Amino acid sequence: SQTIHQWPATLVQPVGSPLSLECTVEGTSNPNLYWYRQAAGRGLQLLFYSVGIGQISSEVPQNLSASRPQDRQFILSSKKLLLSDSGFYLCAWETQGVETQYFGPGTRLLVL
Amino acid sequence: SQQGEEDPQALSIQEGENATMNCSYKTSINNLQWYRQNSGRGLVHLILIRSNEREKHSGRLRVTLDTSKKSSSLLITASRAADTASYFCATDAEGGADGLTFGKGTHLIIQP
Repeated sequence: SQTIHQWPATLVQPVGSPLSLECTVEGTSNPNLYWYRQAAGRGLQLLFYSVGIGQISSEVPQNLSASRPQDRQFILSSKKLLLSDSGFYLCAWETQGVETQYFGPGTRLLVL
Repeated sequence: SQQGEEDPQALSIQEGENATMNCSYKTSINNLQWYRQNSGRGLVHLILIRSNEREKHSGRLRVTLDTSKKSSSLLITASRAADTASYFCATDAEGGADGLTFGKGTHLIIQP
C-alpha cells in the first residue's frame, strides 16, 4: 500500500533562517506531487506541483522553492524565512491520470 | 483567489442529526471533491463527483453537484461525535493547471 511521510511534524524557526521540509512517498511510482500551505483559519493554497523528477511548477510568487531530486521525494525550501511563511504545510500525491490526492500528516511551521 | 467557498463557516449540531455543508465555485470543473481534516492533521479524501454526475453516495455521505449553479452540497446523515472536523471542497478546474483549489472549509462540531 502507498504511504506518504512528512517531516518534521513541527518546526519553530527564526526570521531569516533557511528552511527544508521533506516529503516522501512509498508504494507508488511516478506520482504527481504537491505542496500546499494552510494559513491559520484558511483553506489550502497550492504552492508547487511536480509531474516528474526535476519538473516543478509554481502557482504563486513567493519566498519558497521546491525541488524533486528523486521520483518519490519532494522538498520545500527557503533561503530566508519570513514571518508570513508561518502555516501548516501539506504534501500530497496522486497517481497520474487519477484525480484523487492523498495527503501527508503535515508540518506546522512557526516563524518567530 | 479561492475557487471553492464553503458555507456555513461553522456548524454545530447534536449527535444523530444530519449535517449539510455547501460549496460554491466560479469556473468550469472536471470534478469536485470533499475532504475532511481533523484538528491539526492532514486531509482525508471523502468523495469525488464528476462534472457529469449529479449525486453520489458513500456510506453516510451524500454529495450533490449542480453545475448550472456551480454549487455542491455534502450531507452527513446520522452524525457522530467522530465526525467533528473541518470539511473542505476542492475543485479540479477544467483546462486548468494541475492541483486542486480548496475553499476555506466548514468547521463541523457534533455535540454528544
